[in-house]
Amino acid sequence: QKEVEQNSGPLSVPEGAIASLNCTYSDRVSQSFFWYRQYSGKSPELIMSIYSNGDKEDGRFTAQLNKASQYVSLLIRDSQPSDSATYLCAVNYGFQKLVFGTGTRLLVSP
Amino acid sequence: ETGVTQSPTHLIKTRGQQVTLRCSSQSGHNTVSWYQQALGQGPQFIFQYYREEENGRGNFPPRFSGLQFPNYSSELNVNALELDDSALYLCASSLAPRSGRSTDTQYFGPGTRLTVL
Repeated sequence: QKEVEQNSGPLSVPEGAIASLNCTYSDRVSQSFFWYRQYSGKSPELIMSIYSNGDKEDGRFTAQLNKASQYVSLLIRDSQPSDSATYLCAVNYGFQKLVFGTGTRLLVSP
Repeated sequence: ETGVTQSPTHLIKTRGQQVTLRCSSQSGHNTVSWYQQALGQGPQFIFQYYREEENGRGNFPPRFSGLQFPNYSSELNVNALELDDSALYLCASSLAPRSGRSTDTQYFGPGTRLTVL
């Protein structure tokens, strides 16, 4: 069973702080990793994709991948109340499908 | 906005009925994947269509079926609805290379909220 694990949270951070979201996956052959943001009642919105070990930065977001440890993370710098949402980690286990974690709920307080 | 559209937005059905959900993929995309998201859970892969053929299926029973049309739009059909089918149904489009060996980033539509009473 190919799995993606996330802490369901909620993760509470004050406005302006760094939010750190983590994800582990079970299949070493995975090549593509994605972070989606989902607001309550809405569909998932792509934030970042990452394919190689190391860091990838896009604005306030940094994705980190460590394939040896089967670990993906998302850092959100200067967190804003509008960042409050559920963050879904997804792993591409082959071109047929994405496997998602259950998501981590992030709460950013003003 | 991803350019992926779904209809209807909301739907209420009763147990045993059949339902058809529709999806139009983003312009230039040739692959459509369907996911079911129950409350408090991550999306679960139902199946994917590429070049009008099923291209992978998740752990869903045969009463979940689909179609893809020449314009790459797609339908999800669910027969004999059960209470547990109540969920947000998500369509995602992506572009597969001609080889069909990989699809990469998937972009989601707004979803259809199905309630089964």
